[in-house]
Amino acid sequence: GENVEQHPSTLSVQEGDSAVIKCTYSDSASNYFPWYKQELGKRPQLIIDIRSNVGEKKDQRIAVTLNKTAKHFSLHITETQPEDSAVYFCAASSGGSTLGRLYFGRGTQLTVWP
Amino acid sequence: GAVVSQHPSRVICKSGTSVKIECRSLDFQATTMFWYRQFPKQSLMLMATSNEGSKATYEQGVEKDKFLINHASLTLSTLTVTSAHPEDSSFYICSASGQEGYGYTFGSGTRLTVV
Repeated sequence: GENVEQHPSTLSVQEGDSAVIKCTYSDSASNYFPWYKQELGKRPQLIIDIRSNVGEKKDQRIAVTLNKTAKHFSLHITETQPEDSAVYFCAASSGGSTLGRLYFGRGTQLTVWP
Repeated sequence: GAVVSQHPSRVICKSGTSVKIECRSLDFQATTMFWYRQFPKQSLMLMATSNEGSKATYEQGVEKDKFLINHASLTLSTLTVTSAHPEDSSFYICSASGQEGYGYTFGSGTRLTVV
C-alpha cells in the first residue's frame, strides 16, 4: 500500500516568517493530495489540496507544490500568524470521482511565536 | 457544503460496556465511510472502510468483532465499541466520501474515555 512520510515533526517559526512542510509518497497511483490543519480535540480541516494533473496551487498565504516524478509534495505558509499554530497533516489517496482511502503522514506540530 | 454530523462528541463509559458512535451525512449521500482512531499526538489511523449495504473492510490489527461497523444507509454509519477497555480510550472520527468534488468530509470526532 501507500506510504506517506512527513517532515519535520515539529516546526517553530517567528510570526511573519514562512513555514514549509514536506511529504513524500510511494504509490505512483496516488492522484489526490490534501493538507489538513488540526487543532487540539477538533476534526481535521482541509486547508488546500492538489491533484496530480497540477504542479502548484495557491490560496492566499497557503500554497502546495507537487513533484510527481520525485513523488513529493510540500505545503508553504507565508506570513505566518500565531493562529496558524496547529498540527498539519499531509495525505494521499487515489481514485476518480469517488476517492479511495486516505493515507496520512505523521503530522507536523507548527508553532508560530508572536 | 457537505456536512457530517458525529455524535456523541464525548462519552465516558465503564469498562466492559459498549458504546455506539453515529455519523450522519446531512446533505449528501456518503457511499463510503472511513473510521479513524487517533491517539494523543499521533496521526489518524484508519480502522475500517465501509460501503453502504456491504460489510466493512477492517485494517490489519483491528478486531472486527470488537469494533462493529454498520453502514445500512447512504446517510448513516455507526461504530460500536463492544466490551470497551481503558486502552480503547481515544479520539474516534469518521470521514465520508461520496460527493464528487467534495473530497472527504470529516465528522467532529468522539472523545471516548473508558474508566
